[in-house]
Amino acid sequence: KNQVEQSPQSLIILEGKNCTLQCNYTVSPFSNLRWYKQDTGRGPVSLTIMTFSENTKSNGRYTATLDADTKQSSLHITASQLSDSASYICVVNRAGGSYIPTFGRGTSLIVHP
Amino acid sequence: EPEVTQTPSHQVTQMGQEVILRCVPISNHLYFYWYRQILGQKVEFLVSFYNNEISEKSEIFDDQFSVERPDGSNFTLKIRSTKLEDSAMYFCASSTDSLSPLHFGNGTRLTVT
Repeated sequence: KNQVEQSPQSLIILEGKNCTLQCNYTVSPFSNLRWYKQDTGRGPVSLTIMTFSENTKSNGRYTATLDADTKQSSLHITASQLSDSASYICVVNRAGGSYIPTFGRGTSLIVHP
Repeated sequence: EPEVTQTPSHQVTQMGQEVILRCVPISNHLYFYWYRQILGQKVEFLVSFYNNEISEKSEIFDDQFSVERPDGSNFTLKIRSTKLEDSAMYFCASSTDSLSPLHFGNGTRLTVT
């Protein structure tokens, strides 16, 4: 069964600190993996996309990694800001056939001053 | 930057009533989607729409649901006879192609009483 599991479920950090969010998936065959940021009461916004051949990709203070062998991805946030408080959702797309993406439950990040 | 707009932002309806949720996707996008997110749960795929027809739908999208693109700009989701369990945030999304990032609207919060 195609699943996406994220950890931790929630995380509280102090402003300025770094953090890493994890995503494990069983979706197969793999096409790509995206990280989305969802602010409270808003729609998700795409942060990065990782394809099979990519190991790491940065977008400002966000760095995503992908290990396609172990089917794991991480999202590292550097020098966190209050505005980083949000839910971070890992979404995996299958290759071929259905284009329905599989969503994780998200990690709720709270950044305290 | 162009964005997906959804109306209304909040809809309250009585069980058994019909509701229509409206969306204006980004103008040059070709793929349109509806997702829902029950409070505290993960985002769930409902339906994708391309070339004026449904391309994929999930098990959630039963006979009570329908989608339309009545003109060149609007994309609607109709729920014929709402149930209490239909209470959720409904997100419209669009993309340029089936593998591009989804651009989400800010959602319509549907409350069925």
